[in-house]
Amino acid sequence: DAKTTQPDSMESTEGETVHLPCSHATISGNEYIYWYRQVPLQGPEYVTHGLQQNTTNSMAFLAIASDRKSSTLILTHVSLRDAAVYHCILRGNSGGSNAKLTFGKGTKLSVKS
Amino acid sequence: GGIITQTPKFLIGQEGQKLTLKCQQNFNHDTMYWYRQDSGKGLRLIYYSITENDLQKGDLSEGYDASREKKSSFSLTVTSAQKNEMAVFLCASSHWGSSAETLYFGSGTRLTVL
Repeated sequence: DAKTTQPDSMESTEGETVHLPCSHATISGNEYIYWYRQVPLQGPEYVTHGLQQNTTNSMAFLAIASDRKSSTLILTHVSLRDAAVYHCILRGNSGGSNAKLTFGKGTKLSVKS
Repeated sequence: GGIITQTPKFLIGQEGQKLTLKCQQNFNHDTMYWYRQDSGKGLRLIYYSITENDLQKGDLSEGYDASREKKSSFSLTVTSAQKNEMAVFLCASSHWGSSAETLYFGSGTRLTVL
């Protein structure tokens, strides 16, 4: 049973800003929101994560709703290299249950030149 | 920075064959994982290991064995390959017990069973 809900696909054009939504209505207090992305023939690549506050790094900005039931990964000035499947997942803060990383199908982001 | 190396990248086996996949990491991470990814689907956990010589079963452990020979390496064995099976096996590692464990993945071993 998936704990997060994402659109199957989204399209963008180079240079645009993309907002990738994720719904996690049943998130528990100790669960972090992680984002990974995956391109063909590669394993998932870590993008960012957050608990409650918005976070930013060189790859993306993560906006987390105040009730934590949804989040949005924001990619600015997308390039062709950003085309990938983006996975939003929840993880507890430690313990064996962490290992059961539930990746769903994610959102396939296409980028046009 | 570090890297996770999985070997082989491509593996072709015969039905009933015992097949071994290897994974090495130089992050000095405590925990290592094996996941299976089927086409168009998410990841499913097969085995993980919190530290050297530790083994924990995941949701998909039946039909597989694993071995954590040392901190930097984690092997997975398909005990009897199933005909027409095709999947990608992903190895990952992380620090155990940190407040937010980030998993780092290898590029995968692609298995095809004839």
